[in-house]
Amino acid sequence: DTEVTQTPKHLVMGMTNKKSLKCEQHMGHRAMYWYKQKAKKPPELMFVYSYEKLSINESVPSRFSPECPNSSLLNLHLHALQPEDSALYLCASTPGPIRGQGRGSYTFGSGTRLTVV
Amino acid sequence: EDQVTQSPEALRLQEGESSSLNCSYTVSGLRGLFWYRQDPGKGPEFLFTLYSAGEEKEKERLKATLTKKESFLHITAPKPEDSATYLCAVPPIKAAGNKLTFGGGTRVLVKP
Repeated sequence: DTEVTQTPKHLVMGMTNKKSLKCEQHMGHRAMYWYKQKAKKPPELMFVYSYEKLSINESVPSRFSPECPNSSLLNLHLHALQPEDSALYLCASTPGPIRGQGRGSYTFGSGTRLTVV
Repeated sequence: EDQVTQSPEALRLQEGESSSLNCSYTVSGLRGLFWYRQDPGKGPEFLFTLYSAGEEKEKERLKATLTKKESFLHITAPKPEDSATYLCAVPPIKAAGNKLTFGGGTRVLVKP
């Protein structure tokens, strides 16, 4: 299995809703990432988990709450989002977080298209 | 701070019309340069990793090359299915997190 699977593929939520995005990989990768991508822009890093621990938070608002229940799963909990949070949310993984272990091995999921109304 | 710049922003080609995309970078130490292809509404798909100046990699109609300051992605005799956004990215010299710094991407449209 060489895939990163993200669910749901599409999500529409109101500003008062609580929802979660899910990401799963079974490649034995020990680093997992959340990226946010707006239309016609490159992906922007949000969070990095290394060995199930949060290692990087790129000053993301608290209405986004990541969780890594185990080495295969990564969640992104959403609460009280704003319309400007509408974007494609991408999950990615690499074999390890340490320099050299991630060479050429970033695997991205297909993303969740989030629309906040 | 690592910087990655891609040009042109958009490229319209006729089928069979070869062209090149540019990715220039300013990094404190190159740990590799990645090329990705991204279709609309999908995640980036890995194409190539280049590690040292002079290195070249090929895959079907695509060929990536690397110098000390830039990388090129050559598309030879493109087909409509090569239409996509092509992203280049570099990981920083610091070990933490393996964060990728992406260029802005080149949107390629190949017309039949």
